[in-house]
Formats: sequence, structure tokens, C-alpha cells
Amino acid sequence: EPEVTQTPSHQVTQMGQEVILRCVPISNHLYFYWYRQILGQKVEFLVSFYNNEISEKSEIFDDQFSVERPDGSNFTLKIRSTKLEDSAMYFCASSDWTSTGNEQFFGPGTRLTVL
Amino acid sequence: QKEVEQNSGPLSVPEGAIASLNCTYSDRGSQSFFWYRQYSGKSPELIMSIYSNGDKEDGRFTAQLNKASQYVSLLIRDSQPSDSATYLCAVHPGSGTYKYIFGTGTRLKVLA
Repeated sequence: EPEVTQTPSHQVTQMGQEVILRCVPISNHLYFYWYRQILGQKVEFLVSFYNNEISEKSEIFDDQFSVERPDGSNFTLKIRSTKLEDSAMYFCASSDWTSTGNEQFFGPGTRLTVL
Repeated sequence: QKEVEQNSGPLSVPEGAIASLNCTYSDRGSQSFFWYRQYSGKSPELIMSIYSNGDKEDGRFTAQLNKASQYVSLLIRDSQPSDSATYLCAVHPGSGTYKYIFGTGTRLKVLA
């Protein structure tokens, strides 16, 4: 069964460093998303991406964040200068909007730890 | 501010019983509703989606939607210890947005 994959599974970085989180969405999906979940809190929407551009972003997704689809398979989230409060699980998701629905399927996540 | 509310639990049920999980949402225009299961330290796994008022059954799971009451529920029949997890309710508010809004989740414990 097709699935979303993410790398790395765990990333440890120093405050102020740049990190890139990688995702391979399900191959026939056209809509891609990043969510994050701080330990013990809700899953929060960051950004959605369609047709090679951002379709929607949340207040969390400020100038420190960017997304890119550098080739036909990968979808990346870059955090330019990490802060302690960026420590969280980051989930990539993908979906294919159809007449019957818009189910989003999540990858296994990347645990980001900022020291 | 669009909200999705769930009782955080834990909800404890004996093995073989029916577990009933509830969710309310604030945006009356919401179109699509989803239940995810999340084991500790893992990612959300889609269990059910529901788009119309009424019941939708899939194996041991039944989702129920009442748009007038802005209420979604998930019933798990013949609960198993492996069902012990946090169940997340997610709502897609409708046209004009792509995001899901998640509740905090209800932790379910199925006691053997």
C-alpha cells in the first residue's frame, strides 16, 4: 500500500542552525502538507502546497519557514534559523482531492530537537 | 477561531466492550470529518472519514455525524488492548481552506 515517507526520523540541531526535513508524498497525490505537533499538544497545520506553490499557510509558518518540491518526488520543509520552540514532531501529509473526499495521509514524522 | 473539542480522557473500557469517543466542532460550515488513531510517539493513522449526516461503518468502527448538533463520534466495537491509543478528531472547515483542524485527542485504554 502506498505511503508517505519522511527523513530523517530524528534530527538534533543547535539553535540558530538551518534544518531541512524531507518527505516523499504518495505518488499520485497532488496536495502536500506540513503539520507539527509539540509534545503533548495538538497537531497544528503549517502549510499546504499545490501545483508548485503554497496554497495556504498558518500564522506559525513565518519567514523562517519555507517549502519546496525540488524534483518530482521530494517535498521539503526548511527552517532557516531554528529556535528552541521549534522542537516538535513534524508530519508531512498528502492527499488527492476527489469528488468523494480529501483524505490526508500522514508520514511517520521527523522528531526535531533544538538544543 | 475555529475549534475542535474532545475530552482528553483517559477513557478506560474493558476488553470486548464498546468504546465511544466524541468530538464537537465550532464551524457550522465544516464539510468533512476524520478520525485518526495515534499511538504514542507515532504519526496519525486515518481510521475513518465521514461527510454526510448519519452513520458510516467500517469493520469494528462506526463514525456518526450530526451536523445540526456539530457533533462527530466514533464507536469501536469489541475493543481490544491493541486499540489503546489516542484518537484524534480532525475537521476540514470547507471550501477556501486546505487544512485540517485537529482536536487534542482522547486517550483510550482498553483493559485486558
